[in-house]
Amino acid sequence: EPEVTQTPSHQVTQMGQEVILRCVPISNHLYFYWYRQILGQKVEFLVSFYNNEISEKSEIFDDQFSVERPDGSNFTLKIRSTKLEDSAMYFCASSPRLAFTGELFFGEGSRLTVL
Amino acid sequence: AQSVSQHNHHVILSEAASLELGCNYSYGGTVNLFWYVQYPGQHLQLLLKYFSGDPLVKGIKGFEAEFIKSKFSFNLRKPSVQWSDTAEYFCAVNARSNYQLIWGAGTKLIIKP
Repeated sequence: EPEVTQTPSHQVTQMGQEVILRCVPISNHLYFYWYRQILGQKVEFLVSFYNNEISEKSEIFDDQFSVERPDGSNFTLKIRSTKLEDSAMYFCASSPRLAFTGELFFGEGSRLTVL
Repeated sequence: AQSVSQHNHHVILSEAASLELGCNYSYGGTVNLFWYVQYPGQHLQLLLKYFSGDPLVKGIKGFEAEFIKSKFSFNLRKPSVQWSDTAEYFCAVNARSNYQLIWGAGTKLIIKP
């Protein structure tokens, strides 16, 4: 069964460093998303991406964040200068339909720890 | 602003007990409603969803949920739980006008064998 894969599963970084989290969505999916979950808190929407551009982003997704689909298969989330409060589990998701139906297929998550 | 409330953060049940997890949302417009589950060490996966039609929806593994529009609720139920249902359960709502899912805080369910 096709699945969304994410790497790394866990990354530890120093505050101020750049981090890139990678995702390989399901191959025929058209919509891509990043969500995050800070420990003990709710899952939060970061950004959605369609047709090589951001279609929607939340207040969390400020200038320190960027997304890219560099090669038609990977979907990356970059945090330019990490802060302590960026420590969280980051989930990538994809969905197949043109009209958003909410049926997201999630990766296993990348845990980011900022020291 | 839209929000989703899950009333119980932790639930402990014995096998064969009945389960009901509460979910309420605040949004006046048309919504899609979801329950996702995350088993220990695994990724989030869709349990069931409601878009329209019969407000009683059936999902995988014997779960069902009922959408009660007047109460803004979408409670998850299972008549007889199993040890393998131990997981965290998330209610989520999508207003049809945007791409976001708004999530509840999750309920950790532990089933005692």
